Amino acid sequence: DAKTTQPNSMESNEEEPVHLPCNHSTISGTDYIHWYRQLPSQGPEYVIHGLTSNVNNRMASLAIAEDRKSSTLILHRATLRDAAVYYCILRDPDDDKIIFGKGTRLHILP
Amino acid sequence: DSGVTQTPKHLITATGQRVTLRCSPRSGDLSVYWYQQSLDQGLQFLIHYYNGEERAKGNILERFSAQQFPDLHSELNLSSLELGDSALYFCASSRAPPGHGSDEQFFGPGTRLTVL
Repeated sequence: DAKTTQPNSMESNEEEPVHLPCNHSTISGTDYIHWYRQLPSQGPEYVIHGLTSNVNNRMASLAIAEDRKSSTLILHRATLRDAAVYYCILRDPDDDKIIFGKGTRLHILP
Repeated sequence: DSGVTQTPKHLITATGQRVTLRCSPRSGDLSVYWYQQSLDQGLQFLIHYYNGEERAKGNILERFSAQQFPDLHSELNLSSLELGDSALYFCASSRAPPGHGSDEQFFGPGTRLTVL
């Protein structure tokens, strides 16, 4: 079973910021929070990951709650090419299994 | 382009048959992961190999098996195929050794298997 909970779908307007939430209330102290996305007809693609502190990269930002029980992926300025399914995943360094949930299908409106 | 290659891109076969899917990881990556993605089950982790050794098993059926060869490419063997095995099969590779929760996985384009 997935260890994360995400909304099934979200909608956003083009060129506006998007905040994708993820709940992971059973996270352990060593779990990393990873985000991947899957564009139509493609394999999943790494977006960002973090442990405790907020993280930024060229694709997105990751905001992690102080208690680590939730996180938010932030796309600062959505484009039509950002329409995809976004997966929030917990990675336990001591467990090589990786469990993807259903993810959030993000629709971008022009 | 992730640098991970998978062949074939499409495969159509009949129930009861056996097929082999092939994955070549990115240069330098020692870990290979296999996933199955069907419409009703989403993305399911099947198995992980690191440098030729099996490291973890997920929801992999007994009819399925995999191996990683000395040149680090990997094959997923599916036998006694059933209609329900129709799915997209992805492999992914990563560089970090097991025990790293922070490694980034690079996914291939997938093999679409259709069982008739």
